[in-house]
Amino acid sequence: AQSVAQPEDQVNVAEGNPLTVKCTYSVSGNPYLFWYVQYPNRGLQFLLKYITGDNLVKGSYGFEAEFNKSQTSFHLKKPSALVSDSALYFCAVRDLIYNFNKFYFGSGTKLNVKP
Amino acid sequence: DTAVSQTPKYLVTQMGNDKSIKCEQNLGHDTMYWYKQDSKKFLKIMFSYNNKELIINETVPNRFSPKSPDKAHLNLHINSLELGDSAVYFCASSQQQGETQYFGPGTRLLVL
Repeated sequence: AQSVAQPEDQVNVAEGNPLTVKCTYSVSGNPYLFWYVQYPNRGLQFLLKYITGDNLVKGSYGFEAEFNKSQTSFHLKKPSALVSDSALYFCAVRDLIYNFNKFYFGSGTKLNVKP
Repeated sequence: DTAVSQTPKYLVTQMGNDKSIKCEQNLGHDTMYWYKQDSKKFLKIMFSYNNKELIINETVPNRFSPKSPDKAHLNLHINSLELGDSAVYFCASSQQQGETQYFGPGTRLLVL
């Protein structure tokens, strides 16, 4: 079955420091991977996706993610964190085998950026 | 302009009642979804429609019934509400099946 795992429930980082939010995947075939962000009391917002091509994907708000096939990872990164980046981040993978309309979301990682 | 909107934003009701949540998207998308987010923030697909046709129907109690009157609307009706139905329900849409999804603001349902 297709799945993603986010090993950290919470990540704490100081403003101005680089941040990484981890995601690993388990899929049959080539993965279609996504990152979404959820601010308090809001719906999820799309950040970026990897389908094919360059392993480094750039997205909204200065975020980027690196696809690593050998490590089956798709970690979200930002060179310099802002307090306003504090939110819940979800990694997701699209099912390409049984129902390509279906997405599987990770359990979410809460990012806390302290001033 | 709100791309994906849901009403109501908050819903507090008694066990056993029947309630509906409405969703509308003005993005011209073909596919719409309902997700349930539980208290631990875990997000799970419930239903998906493509051009008014049901294409995903997860293991959801049959008290939950989606209805899509046209491809811009996907409503969720819940019969005989139970305590365990308390959650945040998100509607989403995508241009086509499997494409990037755009989420509504959520409906916070509390069953007492």
